Amino acid sequence: AQSVAQPEDQVNVAEGNPLTVKCTYSVSGNPYLFWYVQYPNRGLQFLLKYITGDNLVKGSYGFEAEFNKSQTSFHLKKPSALVSDSALYFCAVRVLAGYSTLTFGKGTMLLVSP
Amino acid sequence: DGGITQSPKYLFRKEGQNVTLSCEQNLNHDAMYWYRQDPGQGLRLIYYSQIVNDFQKGDIAEGYSVSREKKESFPLTVTSAQKNPTAFYLCASSMGQGATNEQFFGPGTRLTVL
Repeated sequence: AQSVAQPEDQVNVAEGNPLTVKCTYSVSGNPYLFWYVQYPNRGLQFLLKYITGDNLVKGSYGFEAEFNKSQTSFHLKKPSALVSDSALYFCAVRVLAGYSTLTFGKGTMLLVSP
Repeated sequence: DGGITQSPKYLFRKEGQNVTLSCEQNLNHDAMYWYRQDPGQGLRLIYYSQIVNDFQKGDIAEGYSVSREKKESFPLTVTSAQKNPTAFYLCASSMGQGATNEQFFGPGTRLTVL
């Protein structure tokens, strides 16, 4: 079985400050990890993914994520938050074995204040 | 929201009625998915299809049905057997079965049972 945990329902940060949205995972085998963002009443947009290689992955809109195998984490980060980054963020995991489906976390609401 | 369209954007249903949600993609993707999103629960997989004329149940398939007669289309029917159908429904597609392929999402349909 595979699972994803996003331990924070909401993260608050001031504009210009760095932000971190946490994600931990549990899988049997090597994980493939994804981050998506959702704006109100919209579909999800893909931000970035970790497949293999460099543990630091860079994605859209200045976001990056760090894969840490020993801590089974894949935290989303951005050096300087924008008010427009306020949205719901989802972490997701998948494994290669057979045809596994994508398992999503419950989401973290990011609120960036001016 | 890429090349995936969902219609209608809002749908109201009386109890006991079946309704069908449309999902069309022009990305030439082989795989398509239906998710249900409820507040605080993330995304849960209803059905998925890896290829035309083939589909599999996801985690919460009871009360739903799908068809995949064309590569571009993957309609979802919410039947009267679904006891709590009010939710936001998201359709997605990906390039193939590969675990590394990210999914692209449509804008969603919000279904409300009156």
